[in-house]
Amino acid sequence: GESVGLHLPTLSVQEGDNSIINCAYSNSASDYFIWYKQESGKGPQFIIDIRSNMDKRQGQRVTVLLNKTVKHLSLQIAATQPGDSAVYFCAENIPGNTGKLIFGQGTTLQVKP
Amino acid sequence: DGGITQSPKYLFRKEGQNVTLSCEQNLNHDAMYWYRQDPGQGLRLIYYSQIVNDFQKGDIAEGYSVSREKKESFPLTVTSAQKNPTAFYLCATQRQPLATEAFFGQGTRLTVV
Repeated sequence: GESVGLHLPTLSVQEGDNSIINCAYSNSASDYFIWYKQESGKGPQFIIDIRSNMDKRQGQRVTVLLNKTVKHLSLQIAATQPGDSAVYFCAENIPGNTGKLIFGQGTTLQVKP
Repeated sequence: DGGITQSPKYLFRKEGQNVTLSCEQNLNHDAMYWYRQDPGQGLRLIYYSQIVNDFQKGDIAEGYSVSREKKESFPLTVTSAQKNPTAFYLCATQRQPLATEAFFGQGTRLTVV
């Protein structure tokens, strides 16, 4: 079946720098995408979402970019803080898949003080 | 937590025993899911339910069973047929029918001793 994949398993950034986490999806029909943050030993938390009729969406310190041409999703975190250290997952919804989200493998973000 | 309670947080199982993981929600969401997460891995879908008294197998249902007798509850039983049950188990809910974010519980860590 089709699944969401991530380009890098681990990303290490300096505190204060901007972080960019990437995600490739394979189903061009996917219409909804979400980024989750998972801290060690906890459940994933919603960060931001975007629908396929948009290219960009901004939240507090985070921006999600969607490039449907190359089926690419990215999460940008501005002024990365130590509290941002976690695993980040992207997820996609495929229409007709009864609403089940397809999750990627995850990228570990390490923030160096 | 978002109104999803998983219990217990830690669970130890002896070889050959069945154990049941609890998931309760007060979000009035129709859909509920169980995922398994192994170290350094993404989320794999075990079972899901979109309505009371109905549930469907996910990608790795073998060795697991569920019930959905009430909207609020979706317990997962890990049977002795599951040969490698040590993992982190996550319960999630989702509002239906539109594609929306999934809300996660804090997880149960199951260890076979």
